[in-house]
Amino acid sequence: SQTIHQWPATLVQPVGSPLSLECTVEGTSNPNLYWYRQAAGRGLQLLFYSVGIGQISSEVPQNLSASRPQDRQFILSSKKLLLSDSGFYLCAWISGAQAVEAFFGQGTRLTVV
Amino acid sequence: DAKTTQPPSMDCAEGRAANLPCNHSTISGNEYVYWYRQIHSQGPQYIIHGLKNNETNEMASLIITEDRKSSTLILPHATLRDTAVYYCIARPGDSNYQLIWGAGTKLIIKP
Repeated sequence: SQTIHQWPATLVQPVGSPLSLECTVEGTSNPNLYWYRQAAGRGLQLLFYSVGIGQISSEVPQNLSASRPQDRQFILSSKKLLLSDSGFYLCAWISGAQAVEAFFGQGTRLTVV
Repeated sequence: DAKTTQPPSMDCAEGRAANLPCNHSTISGNEYVYWYRQIHSQGPQYIIHGLKNNETNEMASLIITEDRKSSTLILPHATLRDTAVYYCIARPGDSNYQLIWGAGTKLIIKP
């Protein structure tokens, strides 16, 4: 069965520090992978998506970047965090075949202080 | 993608059926209706999806009107664990299209 792992679950980082969140998928190949951010009480905002190794599309301009070094690995990064980067970050994948459902990781709650 | 509108919140008594409405009056012929839910501080969970016909699975039933401009998610016997935010999304059934998330409906199941 397909599973998606995301870590860490919570993170407190000072302003100006770097960030690296990792997401890995098991049980599938060539997945479409996504990074979302969710502000409190709001829906999910798409940040990045990737249809393959080295292929990254950005939905909104921001202080973050993403990379896909391996087929089942998706990384969200920042060189210098801002207070506004705080939020709940979610990784998701959708099968490369005809999409039926998206699978989400458990999320990372990032607090920038 | 078609825009969907949902009530911001709803209450339901435990053991009763929870009926969550969703309007998608601009839905296109190739767009499916997807339902997800998100329990507090967790990732969203897929519930069900449909195109034209009513659908049922172990979690819920989805009733889509004949003109496809609205739908209702039915949780037949709500439990306290069904308390969550429920999202209705209209999107083509193709992984190249994004899921556009609104604010959803916060469903509170009361004992």
